[in-house]
Amino acid sequence: AQSVTQLDSQVPVFEEAPVELRCNYSSSVSVYLFWYVQYPNQGLQLLLKYLSGSTLVESINGFEAEFNKSQTSFHLRKPSVHISDTAEYFCAVSSTGSQGNLIFGKGTKLSVKP
Amino acid sequence: GAGVSQTPSNKVTEKGKYVELRCDPISGHTALYWYRQSLGQGPEFLIYFQGTGAADDSGLPNDRFFAVRPEGSVSTLKIQRTERGDSAVYLCASSTQENTEAFFGQGTRLTVV
Repeated sequence: AQSVTQLDSQVPVFEEAPVELRCNYSSSVSVYLFWYVQYPNQGLQLLLKYLSGSTLVESINGFEAEFNKSQTSFHLRKPSVHISDTAEYFCAVSSTGSQGNLIFGKGTKLSVKP
Repeated sequence: GAGVSQTPSNKVTEKGKYVELRCDPISGHTALYWYRQSLGQGPEFLIYFQGTGAADDSGLPNDRFFAVRPEGSVSTLKIQRTERGDSAVYLCASSTQENTEAFFGQGTRLTVV
């Protein structure tokens, strides 16, 4: 069985500051890792994913996450946030043999203030 | 369609009643998933269809919950004898058979009173 822990339920930051949203997972099998974002009044959207290869993955809007197998982590980072990044962010994991079954963390609400 | 469509967007029902929630996946997507998101929680997996068959229904909480996808496209999640604890946002997602990215609908907010 897998589980995902997002340690921070809320993260307030000022615009243009760096941010890190933490995610740790546990699994006895190989996994795929995902970050989803939910903007206010919208559905979940995939932000980025790690399947294999380079452990550093990037999104088109400046976020990046690094898969760290030894620490079982997949933290999400952005060097300079914008007001428009205000949203709830969910980390998720699936086993490579059951890709349809995503296990989500409880989410982190990122609030970017001017 | 352009995206995953879920109807209704909101549903209020009385305790003990039967409800059906509908999901229209992206055209051509063979995989379809149902999740449930309670307040303050992340989405929780319920069931996964590959084509017409349920490939994994291990997340259905009990036998009051049932889902079908008779023609391999539209899916209906059915809840019998609803309870107040069933109140949540029910999310549907779809993906191609080969692609791991799941595209989510905006959900149906079910409130049992």
